[in-house]
Amino acid sequence: GDSVTQMEGPVTLSEEAFLTINCTYTATGYPSLFWYVQYPGEGLQLLLKATKADDKGSNKGFEATYRKETTSFHLEKGSVQVSDSAVYFCALSFRFDYKLSFGAGTTVTVRA
Amino acid sequence: EAQVTQNPRYLITVTGKKLTVTCSQNMNHEYMSWYRQDPGLGLRQIYYSMNVEVTDKGDVPEGYKVSRKEKRNFPLILESPSPNQTSLYFCASSLSVGGRTNYGYTFGSGTRLTVV
Repeated sequence: GDSVTQMEGPVTLSEEAFLTINCTYTATGYPSLFWYVQYPGEGLQLLLKATKADDKGSNKGFEATYRKETTSFHLEKGSVQVSDSAVYFCALSFRFDYKLSFGAGTTVTVRA
Repeated sequence: EAQVTQNPRYLITVTGKKLTVTCSQNMNHEYMSWYRQDPGLGLRQIYYSMNVEVTDKGDVPEGYKVSRKEKRNFPLILESPSPNQTSLYFCASSLSVGGRTNYGYTFGSGTRLTVV
């Protein structure tokens, strides 16, 4: 079945460091890909998305590019802040399907 | 403000005592869904609804019921809760998840349920 694999955390960084969270997927066909962020005590928020190969999603300084050849959607940010401390989830869904399949989540802590 | 509202935020209950977690959205979304979040497992879909009176099972539906009598409401019902249903629950809604117009879901703030 369809699945999403994220790099395991937790990840601890200093402010202004570069962040990469790896995400790969296994699916039949070409899903839409998402990154969601969950701040402490809150629900999930859509961070960015890409719906077809080579699309780049971006938001709040975060970027991810849909790579069909490597079935990946890695999340990157060039300079993290303490406020970026959160749990990040990679997810996919298919056209005409109504389910988001999530990765296990990666906890990121940014220290001042 | 566009939002998905879940109640309650926290609930402790005893095994076998029926409970309902309410979910309401004010965005006129057609699609709604329930997920549970457990450490190391990410989020798993329990049930979803494509429109009023149309619901279907997700990956982990056992022990849960849902109903969609109105477009805005999608309650989650645990008829006889058990300790393995202790989890963090999220309701979500979406304008569309199909094809190029895949907007993703808007999530509620979560309900932390403990069954003792």
